[in-house]
Amino acid sequence: RKEVEQDPGPFNVPEGATVAFNCTYSNSASQSFFWYRQDCRKEPKLLMSVYSSGNEDGRFTAQLNRASQYISLLIRDSKLSDSATYLCVVNLGAGSYQLTFGKGTKLSVIP
Amino acid sequence: NAGVTQTPKFQVLKTGQSMTLQCAQDMNHEYMSWYRQDPGMGLRLIHYSVGAGITDQGEVPNGYNVSRSTTEDFPLRLLSAAPSQTSVYFCASRLTSGPYNEQFFGPGTRLTVL
Repeated sequence: RKEVEQDPGPFNVPEGATVAFNCTYSNSASQSFFWYRQDCRKEPKLLMSVYSSGNEDGRFTAQLNRASQYISLLIRDSKLSDSATYLCVVNLGAGSYQLTFGKGTKLSVIP
Repeated sequence: NAGVTQTPKFQVLKTGQSMTLQCAQDMNHEYMSWYRQDPGMGLRLIHYSVGAGITDQGEVPNGYNVSRSTTEDFPLRLLSAAPSQTSVYFCASRLTSGPYNEQFFGPGTRLTVL
C-alpha cells in the first residue's frame, strides 16, 4: 500500500467553484501533515499545515481525521491563479523530519 | 535571504559520466534533503542529513552519494550517470525545532542522461 494516496485528477473547475481534494496516509505514527502547492515546472511550496482541530487560511480549509487517516483540502471561490498541483504531505512518524509526498492532484480553474 | 539555491539549473550528461549537483541554504537549517521527481512518481527522497557530518539514505539512494561538511551545503554526487537518473532534482531544507516547520525547496535541477 502506498504511503500517501491522492486522486491524481485532473480537476477542471470553473472560476468561483468550490473544490475538495482528499488524501489518505498509511502510517498511523505520522504526526505532522501539510498541503504543498506546485506550479508547473516549479518547486513545491507550503500552502498550509493541517492541524488536528482543522484550520482555515482565507479561501482554504484543511481538515485531518486521524482515526481514518484522512486529510482534506477545500478551496472556495476558485481563482485562475489556484491552477496548480496540490501535494499531500505527511511526516514519517514520531520525531522524524522526513516527509512523504503524495503524487499530487492537478487542478485547472477555467475562466 | 537567498533561501535554498541549486546549481546548475539544467544539465545534460552522457551515460557513465559523473557530476555533482550543488545545494546551499542560508537559513541555518539543520535538516537538508534531496528528492527526485519523475512523471507519475511524485517526489522521492534520495538522501538526507540532520546536521553537518551526518547523512542517511532515503527511499532511492542507489547511484548517488552525499556529504555534509557544513550546515550550509549539501551536494549530491552522481557516480556514474545512467538514463534512469534523468529527472528533476530538488534540494530542500527545514529547521528541526518542531514537527510543523516549513520545508523550503530550491528551484530544481533538470538532468538529462543520454
